[in-house]
Amino acid sequence: KQEVTQIPAALSVPEGENLVLNCSFTDSAIYNLQWFRQDPGKGLTSLLLIQSSQREQTSGRLNASLDKSSGRSTLYIAASQPGDSATYLCAVRFSGGYNKLIFGAGTRLAVHP
Amino acid sequence: NAGVTQTPKFQVLKTGQSMTLQCAQDMNHEYMSWYRQDPGMGLRLIHYSVGAGITDQGEVPNGYNVSRSTTEDFPLRLLSAAPSQTSVYFCATAPFSGGGYEQYFGPGTRLTVT
Repeated sequence: KQEVTQIPAALSVPEGENLVLNCSFTDSAIYNLQWFRQDPGKGLTSLLLIQSSQREQTSGRLNASLDKSSGRSTLYIAASQPGDSATYLCAVRFSGGYNKLIFGAGTRLAVHP
Repeated sequence: NAGVTQTPKFQVLKTGQSMTLQCAQDMNHEYMSWYRQDPGMGLRLIHYSVGAGITDQGEVPNGYNVSRSTTEDFPLRLLSAAPSQTSVYFCATAPFSGGGYEQYFGPGTRLTVT
């Protein structure tokens, strides 16, 4: 069964820390992996999209890596700020079929001043 | 260019009532889909469409109907609402049905069934 797992479920850090969010998936045959941010009561904001042929993508203070062979992706957030507080979702587009995304349950991040 | 829009933002229904959640996109995307989000479970696919006139079931289709008469619109119908359908519903689109295209999500509809 194709599954996506995110660890930890929740994380609380002081402002300024560099942090890593983890995402693992059960099948290495993927098209891409997408990281989203979700603020409480809001929709999903796409942060980074990594295609299966890529190893990493960067946007500002965010860097996402992909290791298909081990079924892992990490989202690295540099110099965290209180405004980074949100839930971060990892979603995998597995190969085959249509554009179905399999989502992890998310990591709830709190960055305190 | 509004992207993906969803209406209403919030809705409260009584058990047994019916309603339609609306999703519209102005990006001429071929692929449209509906997800529901429940606490601690991530998002799960309800139904999807690969083009006008073509729809199929996702992981959790029971209790929901869809149709796609135009490229732009993909409504989700609840024929007889149940408390188990209390959730947040998201519409998502992608340019094409196959391959690994980025998906774009609407702002969501928060539904409560009492």
